[in-house]
Amino acid sequence: QQQVKQSPQSLIVQKGGIPIINCAYENTAFDYFPWYQQFPGKGPALLIAIRPDVSEKKEGRFTISFNKSAKQFSLHIMDSQPGDSATYFCACFHASGGSYIPTFGRGTSLIVHP
Amino acid sequence: GAVVSQHPSWVICKSGTSVKIECRSLDFQATTMFWYRQFPKQSLMLMATSNEGSKATYEQGVEKDKFLINHASLTLSTLTVTSAHPEDSSFYICSARIPGQGGQPQHFGDGTRLSIL
Repeated sequence: QQQVKQSPQSLIVQKGGIPIINCAYENTAFDYFPWYQQFPGKGPALLIAIRPDVSEKKEGRFTISFNKSAKQFSLHIMDSQPGDSATYFCACFHASGGSYIPTFGRGTSLIVHP
Repeated sequence: GAVVSQHPSWVICKSGTSVKIECRSLDFQATTMFWYRQFPKQSLMLMATSNEGSKATYEQGVEKDKFLINHASLTLSTLTVTSAHPEDSSFYICSARIPGQGGQPQHFGDGTRLSIL
């Protein structure tokens, strides 16, 4: 059972475009929702994160929109650049046994053409 | 700069060999570290939660005798793949959370690419 569904699997945009990546979850116990950026051969790097009491968060060119009732959240990348080409993962965290356990989406491969 | 360091970054070894991967937290103490496995073009799969001074907690389907985890200090966790076989070839990534930091961010190491011949 896939608890976190991420779409699309791949995305190609032109420089300056606004790619949007979506994630949907099922477990209402999730309470922390980060997005990670991963370049080939590297570990994921935290981009931006949101909690369910907020509907939108913006950091630089990255914005998370969160819809608690629909159990969905999305990442928007404003004025995308070729350097943004990477794989993006959403994650959902929930508390378990004194720790926070993540469930990751399958990832979205983003290509930004110059 | 990097807050979690992983070593080695790449290892190639023969089938049957045991391989140890280190994960270090830099400039902070991590009572809990996490080990993930990632296949090409796929997501990260949590393998186990490493707890300093106690036994690791393994996810369902992960063989604890195959993937030995030791968290002997507050800055070091090790993952040993015992008697590795070609199907164990993968990208292994660790992560740690900085205590007291707002939210629940996890900082990831740069991963270890394991290739078993």
